[in-house]
Amino acid sequence: QQQVKQSPQSLIVQKGGIPIINCAYENTAFDYFPWYQQFPGKGPALLIAIRPDVSEKKEGRFTISFNKSAKQFSLHIMDSQPGDSATYFCAARKSSGAGSYQLTFGKGTKLSVIP
Amino acid sequence: DAGVTQSPTHLIKTRGQHVTLRCSPISGHKSVSWYQQVLGQGPQFIFQYYEKEERGRGNFPDRFSARQFPNYSSELNVNALLLGDSALYLCASSHFGAGNTIYFGEGSWLTVV
Repeated sequence: QQQVKQSPQSLIVQKGGIPIINCAYENTAFDYFPWYQQFPGKGPALLIAIRPDVSEKKEGRFTISFNKSAKQFSLHIMDSQPGDSATYFCAARKSSGAGSYQLTFGKGTKLSVIP
Repeated sequence: DAGVTQSPTHLIKTRGQHVTLRCSPISGHKSVSWYQQVLGQGPQFIFQYYEKEERGRGNFPDRFSARQFPNYSSELNVNALLLGDSALYLCASSHFGAGNTIYFGEGSWLTVV
């Protein structure tokens, strides 16, 4: 059972466009929602993260929108650049107390920004 | 400050062999977790350790084991390697507590032939 569903699987936008990547979750116990950017051959790098009590968070060109009632969240990349071409993963964290937590990842979105 | 460091970066093993992967967390981080990322997929949770105790285990067979040392570094061990174990193995570290950000290392690429 996939607990975090991510779409689209791939996305092509022109430079300056605003790609939007969507994720939906099922488990209401998730308490933290990070987005990671991964380049080929590299580990995931944290982009931005949000808590469920916040509806929107911006950091630079990256914005997370969060809809708690719909159990959905999305990543917007403003003024996208060719250097943003990478695979993006949404994730959700479940904490179980006493220092216990784990991340559940979506399947990823491969973004290509063409000049 | 150094990020999460992992070793080795690449390795090739034969089916049936054993492998040990190592991870050093960010200085001050007491929690380490391990993930497996198969090509084209998102990372899958294997283990999480905090203060040298296992705090969580994902849906992986008993061939997978791990431990955390007093300096908070960690090892992931995989016995009786199968072809399907070929993947990028990622280590992540974080502080404990609300708001803890989770940072990943660059991973160890394991190829089983």
